Parts: sequence; structure tokens; C-alpha cells
Amino acid sequence: AQRVTQPEKLLSVFKGAPVELKCNYSYSGSPELFWYVQYSRQRLQLLLRHISRESIKGFTADLNKGETSFHLKKPFAQEEDSAMYYCALNHNFNKFYFGSGTKLNVKP
Amino acid sequence: EADIYQTPRYLVIGTGKKITLECSQTMGHDKMYWYQQDPGMELHLIHYSYGVNSTEKGDLSSESTVSRIRTEHFPLTLESARPSHTSQYLCASRDRGNNSPLHFGNGTRLTVT
Repeated sequence: AQRVTQPEKLLSVFKGAPVELKCNYSYSGSPELFWYVQYSRQRLQLLLRHISRESIKGFTADLNKGETSFHLKKPFAQEEDSAMYYCALNHNFNKFYFGSGTKLNVKP
Repeated sequence: EADIYQTPRYLVIGTGKKITLECSQTMGHDKMYWYQQDPGMELHLIHYSYGVNSTEKGDLSSESTVSRIRTEHFPLTLESARPSHTSQYLCASRDRGNNSPLHFGNGTRLTVT
């Protein structure tokens, strides 16, 4: 069963525009959700996790249990934000399930 | 520096060869994972370990095997490689806390000809 869905494979925006990367999940318990980012030629790395309620590099993500969503947002995109973004669900505190990723392309 | 290391970064081998992908971490993490990822696709969990002498199969069926004899080392072995094994293999580790995140290595891109 698909546990994490990222409906957009590619998202292109202009520099300075707002950006929202969508993530929906299916999980019956209390979800632990994360966003990971992979910049060109770099390893996959943690961007933020919902439990921390933090803003990293201007990105925020809010857990909406009613809509089972954990969308990633940034009000003003920068060119250096161009990367692959993966939403992940920590299942039963042991396994992580990942979405298929969204490629964000920020145009100058 | 505490990190997670994977070798080799790239590997091209012929069908039928036995290969071992190495993964080591110096972060003292108990839990380690192997994911398989095809281009543009999601990561699929193929093996994981809770600690020394613990190994479990993930959700994606894999012909590979793993071992965990030491905390820091979690190698993955293919006894007889086939073209269908061509993929990227990502190793990850995490601390024992329930909400601790995964830390990934750089990955091994395997091509079987």
C-alpha cells in the first residue's frame, strides 16, 4: 500500500515566487513525518521533521491530520533551492517510507 | 568526523559475479538500513538491522543478503549479480530514539552487464 504520495514529479517556479511541495500519507497511528532533500551530486539529507516545528532554510511544513498531508512551503524560492525533495513517514518508529520525490527547479 | 561511508561509489560488473557493497558508520548508531532506488522512483527498503546480530528483510523482495557482526558495519552481498540488480543502493543509519532521523551515505550505483 502506498504510504507516502508526492503527486508532482517536477515543479518549476521563478525565483522569488512561493513554492509548495505536496505530500500526502496514509497511516493509522500518530505519524512522524520528515522532509529530505538531495542537492545535485550530494547525498540525501534531512531538511526538517514535523516534531521539531522548525523552519530550515526558510522552509516550513505543517502536519494536517484531517487532510493527511505534510506539505512543504517556502514563501520566496531561491535558485539554490533547486533539488530533489522527498517526503518520508516513520512507520512504528522503525521503518521509513519515502515518496517518489519532487524535483524543484527554481528559474532565475 | 562522525559519518556514514559507502564503497564503492560506482560499480560495473558482469552477470554472475559475487559482489559486496560496503557500509560503515562512525556515529555509534544501533539501527542501519539498506534502500534500493531506481532513477526517478521512490526509495524501497530491502534490509534493516536493530543492532549486532539482528537483520530483517524489508518490504521489497531482494536477492541480496546482509550481515551485522559489528555495530559500525552493515555490508550487503549479492551472490550472483544479474542485470535486474542494476540500481542505486543507499545505506542509512539512525540513533535509537523513536523520532531520530535517518542519516544517509553517498550511495553505490551498481550496473550489471
